[in-house]
Amino acid sequence: GEQVEQLPSILRVQERSSASINCTYENSASNYFPWYKQEPGENPKLIIDIRSNMERKQIQGLIVLLDKKAKRFSLHITDTQPADSAMYFCAASAWATGGNNKLTFGQGTVLSVIP
Amino acid sequence: AQTIHQWPVAEIKAVGSPLSLGCTIKGKSSPNLYWYWQATGGTLQQLFYSITVGQVESVVQLNLSASRPKDDQFILSTEKLLLSHSGFYLCAWSLQGAGNTLYFGEGSRLIVV
Repeated sequence: GEQVEQLPSILRVQERSSASINCTYENSASNYFPWYKQEPGENPKLIIDIRSNMERKQIQGLIVLLDKKAKRFSLHITDTQPADSAMYFCAASAWATGGNNKLTFGQGTVLSVIP
Repeated sequence: AQTIHQWPVAEIKAVGSPLSLGCTIKGKSSPNLYWYWQATGGTLQQLFYSITVGQVESVVQLNLSASRPKDDQFILSTEKLLLSHSGFYLCAWSLQGAGNTLYFGEGSRLIVV
């Protein structure tokens, strides 16, 4: 199977600074790496993703980097705002037996943006 | 547009009582369907997946079962709840095939007392 390690578990940053979350994975067959944001009491929502044929992707203030050689991917939030405060999950997907499009999630990072 | 609806929103149940959680997907035919579980403050763990009606595969053993009686419906159930079943249950769907985006429902929060 797949294992995904996510660090840090807690991240506190000042408003308008940047925040970075790092993840590593084990299965070299993993080819899809989404990031989810989860507000308290709500469901996780996809914010950005990257596939294995890319090294970098940016959507507005969100940047994801993928280093397949090191089996490492990261999320960078530039110009953070208090509204960015939430739990963030990275995940890795590999084709599993029986047609299971299985996402393995990291342990999560609680991001607090301090005004 | 696809919509995914889960019910109930929340439940408080006694240890040993039965449970049934439901999920309906509209606007997408023959999706892959999934149940995930999340302990408070924890990560998301896949419990079951289904690629077609009537076919459900278990990923972890937690004294739970799942069924897909219709193409757009996914049910999670147990006859006897344990304290360890408490948590947030999320239904999700994706297109069939590798590397497709997973979309979560609103979730059902379960407290077992």
